[in-house]
Formats: sequence, C-alpha cells, structure tokens
Amino acid sequence: NAGVTQTPKFRVLKTGQSMTLLCAQDMNHEYMYWYRQDPGMGLRLIHYSVGEGTTAKGEVPDGYNVSRLKKQNFLLGLESAAPSQTSVYFCASASQGFSYEQYFGPGTRLTVT
Amino acid sequence: AQKVTQAQTEISVVEKEDVTLDCVYETRDTTYYLFWYKQPPSGELVFLIRRNSFDEQNEISGRYSWNFQKSTSSFNFTITASQVVDSAVYFCALCSLQGAQKLVFGQGTRLTINP
Repeated sequence: NAGVTQTPKFRVLKTGQSMTLLCAQDMNHEYMYWYRQDPGMGLRLIHYSVGEGTTAKGEVPDGYNVSRLKKQNFLLGLESAAPSQTSVYFCASASQGFSYEQYFGPGTRLTVT
Repeated sequence: AQKVTQAQTEISVVEKEDVTLDCVYETRDTTYYLFWYKQPPSGELVFLIRRNSFDEQNEISGRYSWNFQKSTSSFNFTITASQVVDSAVYFCALCSLQGAQKLVFGQGTRLTINP
C-alpha cells in the first residue's frame, strides 16, 4: 500500500497563477484533510472532507477550494496564487471512529513569487 | 475552542542529556485524543503516540516516555539519553472525537541534539 501520496512534491508559481494539488489515499478512509505548515505556527487546517462529494472549511480556508469527487482523492486548488500562500502543504486521511489517527502524505512545498 | 500550546519554541541539548518537551491543551470535550508527531529534517510527519483522555497511565517506549496529566491539561514528552537522530521538530496535537476528528496542532518545538 502506498498510504497517502501527494502530487507534486515541489512547485513554484508566480502571483496570480493557479494550480491544483492532488492527494490520493489507498486505505479506504472516509475522512481527508488539507493542512498548511508555516514556520512557528504548526499545521493549520485548510479544508476537510468527511466523505465523497462533501467538503467543509477549516481554520484558514480563504484563497483555496477543494473537491472530493472520488473517495480516494482530495484536490486542493489555488485559483489565484499569492505570496502569502507560500507554505508546505500536507494532506492526511483517517478512518471514521477507528483509531482517530491521521495518516499524512509527504508534503508539497509551494513557493509563490 | 480547542487550543494546544507548546511554549518551548527551540531546545538545544548535548547528546545523552534527558530532555522534556511540554504540551498544554485546552478543550471543553470530556473525551478526546492527544498525539505527538515528529518531523525530522526530511520533512515528513512521523506518528509517535496516541493517548485517550480516559487513559492517564504514563507510557514508555524505549527512550521515549509520555506523562499525561488531565488535572493540569498537560501531555509532556521526555526523551532519555538523547541522540543526534532525535533532532527534529516535535508537534503535540489534540483531536476531538466529535465531528470530523479534526486535529489541532501546537506550534511545534525544534529540538537540536548536539554531539
């Protein structure tokens, strides 16, 4: 099993460009999450999903959109990238009501210039 | 609102010293989980431990031990006889069992073990 994978691993964008980060999990988990990690601030939740076709806002959702058309995939979109979105992005998945542990992907380092 | 505080931003010790990383949390939930994650220089997040709020027993795993005290809302992590490979950023996190099992992370503590 691959666990949780993220594509791409690195990306550099110019201000105003758009992009989509892909997260995929092969553990049949119901829940999926997107976090961003900034120095000195830990990980903060951007959006999350409790099942296929459902999404919800987390702590810092502005400037991002998400979609979960398939249970195994959770996409994070930046419509018009800003330098403030320079960060490391982590995707995670979890099984509902089982161990409550979230399984994390390797991260995507995004730089917006 | 839930909150996790790791007051120690950075800690630097010499190899073989013992070191304790503090974690204090706030929640109104009566049932919750607490976690510790390690983030080595390579960047991935490594799960270390999960603790249910009903289980206040301390846990030891090799050189690692965790002290959970519900009365003071703390879940501290101690590394005994530290090694250079322990150098990493360590995160404490709180999970509510209600809703979507969202994690609230502390700010992280950067631990440097010097040879």
